Formats: sequence, C-alpha cells, structure tokens
Amino acid sequence: AQSVTQPDIHITVSEGASLELRCNYSYGATPYLFWYVQSPGQGLQLLLKYFSGDTLVQGIKGFEAEFKRSQSSFNLRKPSVHWSDAAEYFCAVGKGTGTASKLTFGTGTRLQVTL
Amino acid sequence: GAGVSQSPSNKVTEKGKDVELRCDPISGHTALYWYRQSLGQGLEFLIYFQGNSAPDKSGLPSDRFSAERTGGSVSTLTIQRTQQEDSAVYLCASSPSSYNSPLHFGNGTRLTVT
Repeated sequence: AQSVTQPDIHITVSEGASLELRCNYSYGATPYLFWYVQSPGQGLQLLLKYFSGDTLVQGIKGFEAEFKRSQSSFNLRKPSVHWSDAAEYFCAVGKGTGTASKLTFGTGTRLQVTL
Repeated sequence: GAGVSQSPSNKVTEKGKDVELRCDPISGHTALYWYRQSLGQGLEFLIYFQGNSAPDKSGLPSDRFSAERTGGSVSTLTIQRTQQEDSAVYLCASSPSSYNSPLHFGNGTRLTVT
C-alpha cells in the first residue's frame, strides 16, 4: 500500500529565509507526486506535481520540488519565504498508471513565518 | 469558473443524529472524492467515484458512513448516528477522468458532534 511521511509537523522560518519541507513516500511502482497548500479555512490548492521527466519541477508561488527515486523523497523548496506562505503543506502520492485512483496524503507540515 | 462547492460550511449536531453533507463538483469532472481531515491526522480517504464505475468505498470507517453520487454530478455524504469522533472537516474534491489529473478541493464542511 502506498504511504507518505512528512516528518516535520511544524516548522518556523524567518521571512526571506530559505525553506525545505520533507516528504518521503512508499510506493511499489511509478508514483505520481503532489504538493498541496492549505490556508486557514480554505480547501487545498495544488502547488506542483511530478509525473515523469525532469525530476526538478516548478510550481506556483515560487515553489519547486525535486523527485529523488533513490531516496523515495519529494522535498518542497523555496529560496525566499514570504509571510503569506504561512499555511499547512501536504505531500501526496498517487498511482502512476492505469485509471484514476485515490491519492494518499501525508499528515501535513504547518509552516509559520516570522517577520 | 466555479470551483468545488460544499455545503454547509459548518454543521453542529447532537450525538446520535444523522447528517448529510453535500458536494457540487466542477462541471465535467467525472471523478469525485471525499476525504476527512482531523486535527493532526492529515487527510483520510473515505470514498471515490469515477464515472459510472462502482465507487471505491475502501476508506469508509464504518457502516454508519455512506455516500452517493446522483447523475454523475452532485454527491452526498451521509453519517448516521453521529459520534463525537466523527467531528472533523470533510473535504470533497473532483478531477477530470485522467489518472494524472490533480484534485480540485472544496473548502470543506466542518462537522462538530456535541
């Protein structure tokens, strides 16, 4: 069964500092990987996704993520954090082939940004 | 265009009562998902509809939970005889039919069982 681990429950960074949120997945075949962001009281918004090809993917709001098959990781990065990035971030893995199926989400990382 | 719409946004109910949560997906999206978000638990998959196929109910936590999707569009999640542990945010998402399509989420229904 597929699973996702986000080892950091809560991270605090200063505005302007760089950010890396960790995500490790477990899946027996080719995964589809996603990062979503959830602002307070809102639904989840897609930041970026990886299906195949270039292992460094660019997303919205200046975020990027790198797929490392050897480490089963898909860490999210941003070079300079803005106060508006404070939110909860979820990594998710989906089946990479066949018909659509459910995504499995991690437990999320809450990001706090200090001014 | 319009996104995924969920109603009500908040629901308070007494233990033992039944509740219905509604989801209006994006027009044309054939896949519809329900997830439950509890504090510190991430998103828990509940049920998945894809077109006319039989739904994937593997995530429903008990037989008190059921969902239907009428006409391939609107979906209703029903919780019978609610318990306090059912308190959570219930999120609905939809996507086009292809397997590599991202999900579009609604803002959720916050359910509180007293």
